[in-house]
Amino acid sequence: QVQLQESGPGLVKPSETLSLTCTVSGGSISSYYWSWIRQPPGKGLEWIGYIFQSGGPNYNPSLKSRVTITVDSSKNQFSLKLRSVTAADTAVFYCARGGDIPAIMDYWGRGTLVTVSS
Amino acid sequence: EILMTQSPATLSVSPGERATLSCRASQSISSNLAWYQQKPGQAPRLLIYGASTRATGIPARFSGSGSGTEFTLTISSLQSEDFAVYYCQQYNNWPPWDTFGQGTKLEIK
Repeated sequence: QVQLQESGPGLVKPSETLSLTCTVSGGSISSYYWSWIRQPPGKGLEWIGYIFQSGGPNYNPSLKSRVTITVDSSKNQFSLKLRSVTAADTAVFYCARGGDIPAIMDYWGRGTLVTVSS
Repeated sequence: EILMTQSPATLSVSPGERATLSCRASQSISSNLAWYQQKPGQAPRLLIYGASTRATGIPARFSGSGSGTEFTLTISSLQSEDFAVYYCQQYNNWPPWDTFGQGTKLEIK
């Protein structure tokens, strides 16, 4: 059974960099697409970006200038960095796996709330 | 950009009754549509993909239909655990950044 677990600070100061890691267990990260999705409190879902090991990352144009997604196959992890955060970036961040059809997320982490505040 | 519009925003239905949720795409997406269920404090769960194919382990009371621009998620006999928010997602364009609808909250009447 594939499991994903997000980890990282729950509080980030404005203008700083939000950093999260997703650890994948029960399967190899070397296949499939791996995504970050966020959900502001009480709002809908926004796809931040994804990475496919052999194809590199791809980012939502609305966040592209501030986002970096990387993968570490040796640790079966992938990571998110979001720079220059503001209060508007406060959200629950989910990592997820794109299955046989990359856009369809068949496994999700539980999510982690990141609050941007001084 | 493809805009996904879900209706209604909130749907009140009694347990045991049928619920019908709608999702409309601003342009044709063929059958490239998925539905997710999200309960409070939980991650979304994949219910349906390809507009009508149930994901692994999803009960038969969940069914999806439609193609082109109009889609429907039907829950035939609501159980207590079905009250949640439902999102539709298009994946016709790649990458589908404008992918999710705004959600329909299914609440107990």
